[in-house]
Amino acid sequence: EVQLVESGGGLVQPRGSLRLSCAASGFTFSRYEMNWVRQAPGKGLEWVSYISSSGSTLHYADSVKGRFTISRENAKNSLYLQMNSLRAEDTAVYYCVREWSWSFDYWGQGSLVTVSS
Amino acid sequence: SYVLTQPPSVSVAPGKTAKITCGGDNIGSKSVHWYQQKPGQAPVVVIYSDSVRPSGIPERFSGSNSGNTATLTISRIEAGDEADYYCQVWDRSSDHVFGIGTKVTVL
Repeated sequence: EVQLVESGGGLVQPRGSLRLSCAASGFTFSRYEMNWVRQAPGKGLEWVSYISSSGSTLHYADSVKGRFTISRENAKNSLYLQMNSLRAEDTAVYYCVREWSWSFDYWGQGSLVTVSS
Repeated sequence: SYVLTQPPSVSVAPGKTAKITCGGDNIGSKSVHWYQQKPGQAPVVVIYSDSVRPSGIPERFSGSNSGNTATLTISRIEAGDEADYYCQVWDRSSDHVFGIGTKVTVL
């Protein structure tokens, strides 16, 4: 059974940093592209970042470019999102998502990040 | 950047058919995916690659895509189908793009 379990969310002050982790199991992690997708309270889905299966290709939404960094450790079946210079508008549930054929076929349950003083 | 347009809400009586549209410039040339999200839950893909239904998704869910509009159709709608539905595409200039979501209400 495919499982994606996020951790690392919480309350952080504006301009602070946080690192999200995603533990993957039930599939060969190293063969899949992965993404982070977020959802602000009461709002829609917003794609945040993409990483290729090898980790050599990275993409970011304009809203987080220069502040967020996606990475992965295939040996540990883990995906990460380092978030710096956080803003109130980054408050959201962050989902770890597996990509398949340009769609998102498996989602974690999400990790809430709240940016507030 | 590429924009997807969805109606904010759709209401339909039980047993009837709901059609949720997703508009985009020449969207028919792209692969469209649809997600269902119930309150407090993560999204679930119900249609991918325009019209393919993942295992476990009822046959009542179907999709089509042509011209500037993609459509998710839910036939014989049930109370349990009440949810937000999002369309999504990958675009060369915008990466992954989601529509704003459509809230489906079963009357």
